[in-house]
Amino acid sequence: KAGVTQTPRYLIKTRGQQVTLSCSPISGHRSVSWYQQTPGQGLQFLFEYFSETQRNKGNFPGRFSGRQFSNSRSEMNVSTLELGDSALYLCASSPSGSVNSNQPQHFGDGTRLSIL
Amino acid sequence: DQQVKQNSPSLSVQEGRISILNCDYTNSMFDYFLWYKKYPAEGPTFLISISSIKDKNEDGRFTVFLNKSAKHLSLHIVPSQPGDSAVYFCAASGGFSSGYALNFGKGTSLLVTP
Repeated sequence: KAGVTQTPRYLIKTRGQQVTLSCSPISGHRSVSWYQQTPGQGLQFLFEYFSETQRNKGNFPGRFSGRQFSNSRSEMNVSTLELGDSALYLCASSPSGSVNSNQPQHFGDGTRLSIL
Repeated sequence: DQQVKQNSPSLSVQEGRISILNCDYTNSMFDYFLWYKKYPAEGPTFLISISSIKDKNEDGRFTVFLNKSAKHLSLHIVPSQPGDSAVYFCAASGGFSSGYALNFGKGTSLLVTP
């Protein structure tokens, strides 16, 4: 069974540009979450999507946005890039995320974004 | 505000011995706890989880213990193997009400020596 696939694996951008990252969840998984990992802050939750709807959002500025498509694939977009946005962006999927249904999230290998 | 804390940045254990990784949390609304293992240049790999209605969950060499009154959980690896050398992250979730967002600790780097 294929795991969570993130593309691209590496990306270099300059300040002020925007970027779109892609995530294909495990087949059958409908919940997709995004996390940012930096050396100083660790892994921090960005947002979670289920059935094309954002259900929860972390404490990040509005420059960070995302969406989910009908096939559960998800994209996240960062506009007006800043040096501090350099990080590993991780996507995770889980089966359903319904009430009283705690299920582990499974992660992709991430996209390493470097801002020059 | 760090709601999940792993106070030991690193741990070194001899092969065959027990590895004990610790994690503390502050939010009493957390009801689901997970451990992930991460190798360099890879995403976190799910290891084991525990619901707040249990105090122990076991899967092969891995056992997670939960002490809700102390807001503390630990991961035991017995016996430890060199391939277990990685960074281990503790994570906690408040469930549906929090959109299943995982709150992570900053990780403990485990080194298992032959």
